Amino acid sequence: LAKTTQPISMDSYEGQEVNITCSHNNIATNDYITWYQQFPSQGPRFIIQGYKTKVTNEVASLFIPADRKSSTLSLPRVSLSDTAVYYCLVGGGGSTLGRLYFGRGTQLTVWP
Amino acid sequence: DTAVSQTPKYLVTQMGNDKSIKCEQNLGHDTMYWYKQDSKKFLKIMFSYNNKELIINETVPNRFSPKSPDKAHLNLHINSLELGDSAVYFCASSQGTPTNTGELFFGEGSRLTVL
Repeated sequence: LAKTTQPISMDSYEGQEVNITCSHNNIATNDYITWYQQFPSQGPRFIIQGYKTKVTNEVASLFIPADRKSSTLSLPRVSLSDTAVYYCLVGGGGSTLGRLYFGRGTQLTVWP
Repeated sequence: DTAVSQTPKYLVTQMGNDKSIKCEQNLGHDTMYWYKQDSKKFLKIMFSYNNKELIINETVPNRFSPKSPDKAHLNLHINSLELGDSAVYFCASSQGTPTNTGELFFGEGSRLTVL
């Protein structure tokens, strides 16, 4: 199983772009890279998923280099409501179908 | 309507008791999960069911017994509760493909406190 490493915490100010990088050196060919967001007292919520290159949706972008050994979640112009824990997951395909393992996550705090 | 709903939201009980947490999803998904989140916020998969069949059991003690009466429901029964069982238990569902688990939809969680 591919292990993920991401910063424990990050701070930002409103209106700034935030980039959270996740390392996953032993990612397997069939693994997807998925990011979830969790607010206190709530279940995690899907943000974005990618396999390679760049993926963008209405809330975030996901950058994946060619070797796929890392990925970067980019949140444009964060607001106070983006304060949450962000989890990077690797897996969910091939031999890891149905197996999505959450790491420690990154606590993002956005300040006014 | 809530997509994935769990009951109860809070549960306080004594060591040694037996308790159950219920989960229902109205998304029509084939796969349902139980995750445990401990006090350090580490979220760990416990079980996964696909169309009522157990497909993942992550070395969870036998005191934990999931039951899926139909693909919209996945209940979790815990026997002989221990202090270490105190955590937030999340139910989730997904509708993936044969090659991609897909997006997980989580419930709001059930906070279990064992005294």
